[in-house]
Amino acid sequence: GAVVSQHPSRVICKSGTSVKIECRSLDFQATTMFWYRQFPKQSLMLMATSNEGSKATYEQGVEKDKFLINHASLTLSTLTVTSAHPEDSSFYICSARVVGNNEQFFGPGTRLTVL
Amino acid sequence: AQSVTQPDIHITVSEGASLELRCNYSYGATPYLFWYVQSPGQGLQLLLKYFSGDTLVQGIKGFEAEFKRSQSSFNLRKPSVHWSDAAEYFCAVAPRGNFNKFYFGSGTKLNVKP
Repeated sequence: GAVVSQHPSRVICKSGTSVKIECRSLDFQATTMFWYRQFPKQSLMLMATSNEGSKATYEQGVEKDKFLINHASLTLSTLTVTSAHPEDSSFYICSARVVGNNEQFFGPGTRLTVL
Repeated sequence: AQSVTQPDIHITVSEGASLELRCNYSYGATPYLFWYVQSPGQGLQLLLKYFSGDTLVQGIKGFEAEFKRSQSSFNLRKPSVHWSDAAEYFCAVAPRGNFNKFYFGSGTKLNVKP
């Protein structure tokens, strides 16, 4: 139980294009979902927190118009990297949580490479 | 500002040997503490967590961790490593009462020699 999937696992795109990453909770309903990014040899950094049906809350320094988050249902959140640039290349990881549960369940991550 | 430090980027141990992965945190009050493991292509899996009480915490796969308040440390240990333990290990903290804010260390990659 408590499986979180991400799609795609890897994506390569050209500079200036937009990329959408999906995060799904497969066997539970996630009231809250989180998006992290991880640069090589660095920590996972929280980008934003989203609650189903609400606007996402972004961490300081994260551009909300650059990283669009939609949490339309209790099992799906999407992250869209708009007008991607090479500096957006990174490993993006989502996690999901159920209210009342003291644990976050993590997806396998998506490797984004912007050429 | 809160921070989590894992001073060892890579560690190599022989199969059957003991293991200790270090984690230190900087935080105003004792946070909630976690250890996760990540295998290639997999999500982070929770090994164990500490909220309060006994400072020696038992987890899955034979792992344990000890919270030492005086040293602001939460080191992960295993008495005998198996080849399948090769993976990357992350220490994380969350403020008390807020499981929506996780702060991670940079990870320690464990290699296991046969």
